[in-house]
Amino acid sequence: DTGVSQDPRHKITKRGQNVTFRCDPISEHNRLYWYRQTLGQGPEFLTYFQNEAQLEKSRLLSDRFSAERPKGSFSTLEIQRTEQGDSAMYLCASSLLFSDGYTFGSGTRLTVV
Amino acid sequence: GENVEQHPSTLSVQEGDSAVIKCTYSDSASNYFPWYKQELGKRPQLIIDIRSNVGEKKDQRIAVTLNKTAKHFSLHITETQPEDSAVYFCCGDMRFGAGTRLTVKP
Repeated sequence: DTGVSQDPRHKITKRGQNVTFRCDPISEHNRLYWYRQTLGQGPEFLTYFQNEAQLEKSRLLSDRFSAERPKGSFSTLEIQRTEQGDSAMYLCASSLLFSDGYTFGSGTRLTVV
Repeated sequence: GENVEQHPSTLSVQEGDSAVIKCTYSDSASNYFPWYKQELGKRPQLIIDIRSNVGEKKDQRIAVTLNKTAKHFSLHITETQPEDSAVYFCCGDMRFGAGTRLTVKP
């Protein structure tokens, strides 16, 4: 499968726990994006990387969220001290250039109980 | 950052009719506007895109127009079919609109 892979597909965690998600983009894509989507809403921009550099982070994103792309390949998104409001689908996407459409992964569904 | 507004939020058409979805954006520096289709339980998929140096682009039954002066762009679907039923999202500078749920009635 040469698409965007995300792991895990589902995560249930207790409030206050930390969680980490992984995204493996299409190998030749140098741009990687993280989005959050709740039911009935559009994907909400979280952050994006150009190679290993994190170039933009949403101002709506609290300090509990952090993302890395250490070698310019896979990326991780960590949420610390999870809250019930963090429950959502977390989508990763990648593209070769800015003006290329994004290819999305299947997402990680997070449920905070 | 960019702010993208999309309307209508829901759209119901008869099979064979046309559907139009409109979006406005705030950042005049934005220059890439993709559209995505998302079926229930699936990931968003790119259906068409337009760059700022082009005013219109067409791909079979789907077309997109861009008015940079007015900062708005639109998706046009002609000869709609039941399989076009889905949620459609516009996007500008990585920001997505809230989506339009299109229902095509047979």
